[in-house]
Amino acid sequence: QSALTQPASVSGSPGQSITISCTGTSSDVGTYTYVSWYQQHPGKAPKLLIYDVRNRPSGISNRFSGSKSGNTASLTISGLQADDEADYYCGSFRNTKTLSFGGGTKLTVL
Amino acid sequence: EVQLVESGGGLVQPGRSLRLSCAASGFTFDDYAMHWVRQAPGKGLEWVSGISWNSADIAYADSVRGRFTISRDNGQSSVYLQMNSLRSEDTALYYCAKGPGLYQPRFDHWGQGTLVTVSS
Repeated sequence: QSALTQPASVSGSPGQSITISCTGTSSDVGTYTYVSWYQQHPGKAPKLLIYDVRNRPSGISNRFSGSKSGNTASLTISGLQADDEADYYCGSFRNTKTLSFGGGTKLTVL
Repeated sequence: EVQLVESGGGLVQPGRSLRLSCAASGFTFDDYAMHWVRQAPGKGLEWVSGISWNSADIAYADSVRGRFTISRDNGQSSVYLQMNSLRSEDTALYYCAKGPGLYQPRFDHWGQGTLVTVSS
């Protein structure tokens, strides 16, 4: 069982926006700003989309945005595209001085 | 271009050992923390271990603490994962990843992974 809870699946149509949640506790997401999001296509290594809750690495589209409220972090993808269909993972620092990932969310673009 | 190339995976019996290596290039290796992240077949990501740029700080997931040892050689631009007392649940694709710090889950580059299968 993952330390961070994500919905197993979400879906949306091209052009729409979707949000994926990542729920932790006051031991991780609720206290620290070290929250990241990753995209993983089948058979590929994960790709960093968001770090430190809301920052995008160079080259990442501004269609991807991150936020946090209380113990829950969120990834929003706007203007959905077919290539956005992938698995998405959140990651966070924990007060045990370890890192953890969410269980992953499968995004289907209808 | 940043490159991380893992090696050392394979089929191993339960209780045996295996050592993974990750060769890095394209960046100043000793400026970064390095991590191992694994993914069991059909499952999600699991952070395994991380090591600071100077090896002064090391962290492990509870699931591997006491069995796995991470180390690095900055002169060789390489990071290693010594895995002892392997169990079937350690079967996974093992990725190495670089990040700015030991306690930041900000992995901006990943290798392609090396597969470890623990089975009799």
